[in-house]
Amino acid sequence: EDQVTQSPEALRLQEGESSSLNCSYTVSGLRGLFWYRQDPGKGPEFLFTLYSAGEEKEKERLKATLTKKESFLHITAPKPEDSATYLCAVQNTGNQFYFGTGTSLTVIP
Amino acid sequence: DAGVTQSPTHLIKTRGQQVTLRCSPKSGHDTVSWYQQALGQGPQFIFQYYEEEERQRGNFPDRFSGHQFPNYSSELNVNALLLGDSALYLCASSFGATNEKLFFGSGTQLSVL
Repeated sequence: EDQVTQSPEALRLQEGESSSLNCSYTVSGLRGLFWYRQDPGKGPEFLFTLYSAGEEKEKERLKATLTKKESFLHITAPKPEDSATYLCAVQNTGNQFYFGTGTSLTVIP
Repeated sequence: DAGVTQSPTHLIKTRGQQVTLRCSPKSGHDTVSWYQQALGQGPQFIFQYYEEEERQRGNFPDRFSGHQFPNYSSELNVNALLLGDSALYLCASSFGATNEKLFFGSGTQLSVL
């Protein structure tokens, strides 16, 4: 069964303290791996799509990487406005999406 | 450019009642997917509508049904509500049934008492 596991569930960082979020997945056939940001009371906001192992994408302080079994979202020198829940999802070759439960990130000034 | 809009934002129902949620996709998008997000969980896929037909369905009972209109907007209907149906219901739109970039609305928070 296709599934996504994210760790840690919650992460507290001091402003400027870099860290990584993990997304491990099992999927029958990977069409894409996605990272979304979700603020409280809002819908998920698209960040990145990764398609194949070795691929990397960057946006401001965020960098996403992909291997055959997992993806990492690296956060460099985070700011308080980066506080949110970060969701990982995989799309299989049947075009169905499976989301993880997310990592709740809090960045303390 | 309006993004994905959902209505209502909040809804309170009692067990056994029926509810209808509405979604207008982002301009230029023709595909709508619905997700259920329980508190502290990730979104779970309910179904996808494209060309006014249900194209894919997740592991949800027949109490969950939907419709897509010619203008691409969509409705999600849930019959015989259960306490466990309390969740944030998210609508996501995209262009084409296989397009992977989903744009989400802010959701409808449904509480079943």
